[in-house]
Amino acid sequence: RKEVEQDPGPFNVPEGATVAFNCTYSNSASQSFFWYRQDCRKEPKLLMSVYSSGNEDGRFTAQLNRASQYISLLIRDSKLSDSATYLCVVNEFGNEKLTFGTGTRLTIIP
Amino acid sequence: EAGVAQSPRYKIIEKRQSVAFWCNPISGHATLYWYQQILGQGPKLLIQFQNNGVVDDSQLPKDRFSAERLKGVDSTLKIQPAKLEDSAVYLCASSDRLAGMKTQYFGPGTRLLVL
Repeated sequence: RKEVEQDPGPFNVPEGATVAFNCTYSNSASQSFFWYRQDCRKEPKLLMSVYSSGNEDGRFTAQLNRASQYISLLIRDSKLSDSATYLCVVNEFGNEKLTFGTGTRLTIIP
Repeated sequence: EAGVAQSPRYKIIEKRQSVAFWCNPISGHATLYWYQQILGQGPKLLIQFQNNGVVDDSQLPKDRFSAERLKGVDSTLKIQPAKLEDSAVYLCASSDRLAGMKTQYFGPGTRLLVL
């Protein structure tokens, strides 16, 4: 079983729609959780951290369920510029190693 | 502030040849990482340096891959000899312990194609 699992997509979503991505992780010792964004042929960039109580940044909402080892990202009112691959990332307690999922590819359609 | 620099941006070699990649992290960042990203997959950590010491190289194929960070700043990653399955993007990242060590900043990567 992969340490971090994501639905690879692709998700093709009309502009203005709401889209949600899910991610599961296998290591119960995971402590920190993130969503990174990677544009085509570019490097990954941190989109947002994921906190236990859930957190929001503009149109983006991230949630964590430690009991189910499940992370989600919700994008509301999607824009063309949201087209990218979204990488679910976990960090194990006690070290700085980041483990990436395979990414979910999102395309926003005009 | 300048970001993580990497060179070359692209490299095409034949199998069994050698290749080296260079990375210059963000100034002052003590931690440096090398990742391998195969098409359609997420980045996989190859090696992590803290200053000039290796913290984690458990996923580095040591029979053919080597990396060094002699002065605790720049780093090089070498593959010798290359195999077809080494075709990937090699990403360098750095982080600053004082600023939140888990926020890693990535360079643009080196795209390697092994023929």
